[in-house]
Amino acid sequence: AQRVTQPEKLLSVFKGAPVELKCNYSYSGSPELFWYVQYSRQRLQLLLRHISRESIKGFTADLNKGETSFHLKKPFAQEEDSAMYYCALSGLTPLNKLVFGAGTILRVKS
Amino acid sequence: DTGVSQDPRHKITKRGQNVTFRCDPISEHNRLYWYRQTLGQGPEFLTYFQNEAQLEKSRLLSDRFSAERPKGSFSTLEIQRTEQGDSAMYLCASSPFRDEKLFFGSGTQLSVL
Repeated sequence: AQRVTQPEKLLSVFKGAPVELKCNYSYSGSPELFWYVQYSRQRLQLLLRHISRESIKGFTADLNKGETSFHLKKPFAQEEDSAMYYCALSGLTPLNKLVFGAGTILRVKS
Repeated sequence: DTGVSQDPRHKITKRGQNVTFRCDPISEHNRLYWYRQTLGQGPEFLTYFQNEAQLEKSRLLSDRFSAERPKGSFSTLEIQRTEQGDSAMYLCASSPFRDEKLFFGSGTQLSVL
């Protein structure tokens, strides 16, 4: 069965501190992993996907197949990063049939 | 606004009533998805369309739920004989044929009293 676990409901950090949002998944094949973000009063939007290997707004995420993890990291948090972050998994048929985790609220304090 | 549009934004209904939601995807997007999100959880896949064809339905989509996408444009999601457990945010999303980036609407918040 496909499953995504985000162990933290809330992560609170100070501005300028490093951020790591944890995501673990369960899937028997080779999944595609995503991070979605929802800022206050905005729509859910794609932040990044592992196959793109991009850094978006300073965030990166590395797929670790051995540990079945896809943690989201940023070296220096900014107040505008405060949002709800969802990790999601796709079994690729179709690509956007996603299994989401429960989400982590990131709160960046000044 | 050329994004995904959903109507209504909020719907309050009594148990046993029927409700219908509408989604207008980004034009030229072939694929349209419906998700449901309950409090404290991430979105859950319900169904998706490629053009007018409904290609997959989740087991979450009971017989009381039906979705259509006539002519491959807008889509409707109908819930018959609503139950309190149907209370949730219903999200619509669309993507191009190659299933690249998924664009979400603002959702319809359903409350069943």
